[in-house]
Amino acid sequence: QKEVEQDPGPLSVPEGAIVSLNCTYSNSAFQYFMWYRQYSRKGPELLMYTYSSGNKEDGRFTAQVDKSSKYISLFIRDSQPSDSATYLCAIAMAFGNEKLTFGTGTRLTIIP
Amino acid sequence: GAGVSQSPSNKVTEKGKDVELRCDPISGHTALYWYRQSLGQGLEFLIYFQGNSAPDKSGLPSDRFSAERTGGSVSTLTIQRTQQEDSAVYLCASSPDRRQPQHFGDGTRLSIL
Repeated sequence: QKEVEQDPGPLSVPEGAIVSLNCTYSNSAFQYFMWYRQYSRKGPELLMYTYSSGNKEDGRFTAQVDKSSKYISLFIRDSQPSDSATYLCAIAMAFGNEKLTFGTGTRLTIIP
Repeated sequence: GAGVSQSPSNKVTEKGKDVELRCDPISGHTALYWYRQSLGQGLEFLIYFQGNSAPDKSGLPSDRFSAERTGGSVSTLTIQRTQQEDSAVYLCASSPDRRQPQHFGDGTRLSIL
C-alpha cells in the first residue's frame, strides 16, 4: 500500500464550478499536509500547508484535514481556466521534514 | 528575486553514458533537496543537504546515483552508466532551513535512449 493515495484524474469541470481534490494516507504519524500546484513543464509551487484537523482558507482555496479518517482535501471555489494544472498533495512527519511524501497528482482542467 | 535554477532544462543521452544535473538554490537557502518525478508517479525523494551536515542519501535508488553540494550552494546530481529507467524529470528544491517550505526549480527532463 502506498503511503499516500491520490486519484490521478484527469478531472474536467466548467469554469466557476467548485473543485474537490482528495488524498488519503496510511500512517497516522504524518502531521503536516501540503498542497502543491504544478503547471506543465514547471516545478511544483506550494499552495497551502496545514498541520491540524479542520479547514484552512486562503482566497478561493480551502484545505481540509481529517486526521481521524486520514483524509485531506483541497477545494477550489469559482474555478478559473488558470487553475488548470496538476495538484499534488504532500505529507510529512514534521513540517520542514526533508522527506516529503507526495501523491501522484490529479490533473485538473477548467473548461471556459 | 531569482528562484531555484536548474540546468540543463532538457538532456537526451545514450544508455550507459554518465550525466550531471546542476541546481542553483535560492541565495541564502541552507537546505537543498533532489526529487525524481517519473511519468504517472509522484515525486520521489532522492537526497537532502542541510548546511555542512552529512547529506541524507537514503532516497538514492542505486550506487549509480550520487550528489554533492559545493560551498553550501550549488549542487550536482550525477548518474553513472545511465539506464532507460532513469528517464524522468529531476527536480531540485531549496528552503531557508528544514522548517520552511520547499521552493522548487522547473526541473531537468532526462531522456535515456
